[in-house]
Amino acid sequence: DAGVIQSPRHEVTEMGQEVTLRCKLISGHNSLFWYRQTMMRGLELLIYFNNNVPIDDSGMPEDRFSAKMPNASFSTLKIQPSEPRDSAVYFCASSLGSLSGANVLTFGAGSRLTVL
Amino acid sequence: DQQVKQNSPSLSVQEGRISILNCDYTNSMFDYFLWYKKYPAEGPTFLISISSIKDKNEDGRFTVFLNKSAKHLSLHIVPSQPGDSAVYFCAAGVRGNTPLVFGKGTRLSVIA
Repeated sequence: DAGVIQSPRHEVTEMGQEVTLRCKLISGHNSLFWYRQTMMRGLELLIYFNNNVPIDDSGMPEDRFSAKMPNASFSTLKIQPSEPRDSAVYFCASSLGSLSGANVLTFGAGSRLTVL
Repeated sequence: DQQVKQNSPSLSVQEGRISILNCDYTNSMFDYFLWYKKYPAEGPTFLISISSIKDKNEDGRFTVFLNKSAKHLSLHIVPSQPGDSAVYFCAAGVRGNTPLVFGKGTRLSVIA
């Protein structure tokens, strides 16, 4: 398996533009997590899905952020309109979750977003 | 309020010596803990974990210690190698397919 695949790896855009980040899960994994890494806040959870269903989006900073999981293997994170403070590295992670087991996440390589 | 804290942003250690990375947590519901390692321009990769029913787990040069009463865990790397230079994240979770909570990370530099 190629692991969790994220695209684009780097994106530079201007304030006000729409940004779409993409993530392909590991085959067979049923949970999907979007994290954001910044110097100030470290790795913070934005939203997570179990079996394509959004479970907790309380980490999404504002209504400008939205995430979808149209099928079991793919997710998008959209920022519209983007602002300079959204500049960060966005990580997608997947896992084979269970109701009783520990959740070991496998991360993608990240998408570095710069909003000018 | 941070539930997982790594109070040392950085640590420098000489090659061959022991590296000790520390982590504190506040949520007593956490029942398993993990360490992730991250190289520049890559995603975090799983390194080692420990269940709350244990106080030590060892995997080669890496050992994680858990002190539940102090809500503290540490990662020991012996002997440290230059290739260990990376950012190390401590993470904690509750069994039942819930997300991991991460600390801010500690940057380890192993000097040859």
